[in-house]
Amino acid sequence: QVRLQESGPGLVKPSETLSVTCSVSGGSITSGFWWSWVRQAPGRRLEWIGEIHLTGTTNYNPSLESRLTISLDKSRNQFSLSLVSVTAADTAVYHCVSARVAAAGTLDFWGRGTLVTVSS
Amino acid sequence: EVVMTQSPATLSVSPGERATLSCRASQSISTNLAWYQQKPGQAPRLLIYGASRRATGIPARFSGSGSGTEFTLTITTLQSADFAVYYCQQYNDWPPYTFGQGTKLDMK
Repeated sequence: QVRLQESGPGLVKPSETLSVTCSVSGGSITSGFWWSWVRQAPGRRLEWIGEIHLTGTTNYNPSLESRLTISLDKSRNQFSLSLVSVTAADTAVYHCVSARVAAAGTLDFWGRGTLVTVSS
Repeated sequence: EVVMTQSPATLSVSPGERATLSCRASQSISTNLAWYQQKPGQAPRLLIYGASRRATGIPARFSGSGSGTEFTLTITTLQSADFAVYYCQQYNDWPPYTFGQGTKLDMK
């Protein structure tokens, strides 16, 4: 079972770009097919952000799609998200997830998450 | 977007007893539903998928049922490790996958 560890900036200013990286250890990123991001803003429910396949195919939450890019770096065993033009509403704990292992749509193995705060 | 609603928001149960958590979908999602457990400071853990299938390594005291719009997670013989927040998630109609707001299972 792979382990996932998120790393992020901690604090981002409004209107800037939020970038979070997930490092996969205990196995190759190519051992899974789909890799996802989920976030949880304070006091709110979990929100699925999007996912990327090993081939580079992506699926995004329509509410974020215009601002979002998810990418994969097989050589570094990492995948990343980039969210532009952030506001305070993007303040959240960002989790990376190994997805679609048990079944299409399941979010099987999660990282603990990294808190990103959007504030000036 | 499919809206998932969980009830109750908080459930207080004594160790050794049974807990029953509910999840309702705003439209039919067949059995494309998963349940997750999250403890403070920890990563969420997949418990149940396909509404009733236990994920690898999940104890038999966790069981799921339901189809369509009404789903239940039952935990029998509660242990101290089971007190956590539980979320349901649909993956029938996406993007996006959507979650319920969570049920906090408290020790009575």
